[in-house]
Amino acid sequence: DIQMTQSPSTLSASVGDRVTITCRASQSISTWLAWYQQKPGKAPKLLIYRASSLESGVPSRFSGSGSGTEFTLTISSLQPDDFATYYCQQYNTYSFFGGGTKVEI
Amino acid sequence: EVQLLESGGGLVQPGGSLRLSCVASGFTFSSYALSWVRQAPGKGLEWVSGISTSDDRTYYADSVKGRFTISRDNSKNTLYLQMNSLRAEDTAVYYCAKDRFGSGCNDLDYWGQGTLVTVSS
Repeated sequence: DIQMTQSPSTLSASVGDRVTITCRASQSISTWLAWYQQKPGKAPKLLIYRASSLESGVPSRFSGSGSGTEFTLTISSLQPDDFATYYCQQYNTYSFFGGGTKVEI
Repeated sequence: EVQLLESGGGLVQPGGSLRLSCVASGFTFSSYALSWVRQAPGKGLEWVSGISTSDDRTYYADSVKGRFTISRDNSKNTLYLQMNSLRAEDTAVYYCAKDRFGSGCNDLDYWGQGTLVTVSS
């Protein structure tokens, strides 16, 4: 199994901050990686697919990068609506999610 | 508008069975793979199972292999998850999700609202 490790597990930030979340795969997954945002009591929402492609309708302050085993999700200027939990997902071999990163005030 | 509506969750005793359904609308159901993802209370997301367009390829997490069966009825735009030999650790909200493509495992571009399964005596 390909394991996904996200860091940090919790991140404290302020509105306007630049935020970076990292996801590491236990083996190479090329660019078969997605990022999701989840708010309490809601279903996850797709933000980024194929490591760096922005899903339609997602604000351009979200961006993704990386390939192989190391990936990042960056929020260029944190907005009040962005306080949530973020998950990475690899889909190179079956599918596995990272443990999540909670972005809090 | 793409919509996915899960049903069938509830309280079940350990060792029991339950079948979840997910009715889809707003897209050509038969053209896309579909997945089930679960989330235990207060925990992260766990991919459970996936199925290709024509039912000939199915995928399972090790944690449910041999106990859960995914299937689909393209004539009814409905995805199913038959869950047998349920355990306390299967307690979770179960989401159905639409894959971006028709085969393999993919990113998930639309999700349902989830249905809660509680396994307890």
